[in-house]
Amino acid sequence: SQQGEEDPQALSIQEGENATMNCSYKTSINNLQWYRQNSGRGLVHLILIRSNEREKHSGRLRVTLDTSKKSSSLLITASRAADTASYFCATAFSGGYNKLIFGAGTRLAVHP
Amino acid sequence: GAVVSQHPSRVICKSGTSVKIECRSLDFQATTMFWYRQFPKQSLMLMATSNEGSKATYEQGVEKDKFLINHASLTLSTLTVTSAHPEDSSFYICSARGGTSASGAKNIQYFGAGTRLSVL
Repeated sequence: SQQGEEDPQALSIQEGENATMNCSYKTSINNLQWYRQNSGRGLVHLILIRSNEREKHSGRLRVTLDTSKKSSSLLITASRAADTASYFCATAFSGGYNKLIFGAGTRLAVHP
Repeated sequence: GAVVSQHPSRVICKSGTSVKIECRSLDFQATTMFWYRQFPKQSLMLMATSNEGSKATYEQGVEKDKFLINHASLTLSTLTVTSAHPEDSSFYICSARGGTSASGAKNIQYFGAGTRLSVL
C-alpha cells in the first residue's frame, strides 16, 4: 500500500481543547509534511519537518518526528471550530522527484 | 503563497466520453506536477508524476493509456481521462512543485482545488 497509517481516523473535540494526531510510515524519508483538507477541496500545506529535526512549531501547531519509530505527531492547541477538516501526513522520499506518499488522514471535528 | 488553479471544478459526463482536466501554476514555474485520485473519506493516491517536456511516470496499477498526462509547459499540466466509465468517477487533485532543491520550501507541493468527476 502507498499509504502510511494515521490515528485516530476521526477525532471529535470541543473548542479550546487540544487535538493530537499521529502518523506512522514505513521507509526512510527526507522529510515529513502535514496538510489540511477542507471537505471537497484541495490540500493546504501546514508544516514540513526534515528527517534530522525532532520538533517544529508554527503558531498553534506543533509537530514531532521520531525517525527511530518512523512516526510523527501533529498537535493543534486551543482548537477552534475553523480547524474542522481532514489532516494528512505525507512523507517525501529521497531521489526521483520527491513525490509524497500520504497517510490515511484524520478527520477532525471541533465543536463550538 | 504559490497558487495552483485546477479546472474544471466539477464535470459530469456520459460513459465513453473523454474528459480533460487542467492544472496551472499561476505565479511560479512548476518543474514537476503530480496527479492524485481521492475516493470519499479516503486518502490521496498518487497516480502519476509529470515533468515538463518529458513523459509522465505512472504509479503501479495506473493505466497510462487510460489517464493521459501532458506537461507541455512549466505552468500547465493536463490529465485526460479517456473513454470514461462510472468506475472512473472520483475526485482528482493536482499539485505543483517548483525547483529541485532537496530541502526547504521547494519541497512543498501546492494543490489545486480538485475536480469532481461523475461519469453517468
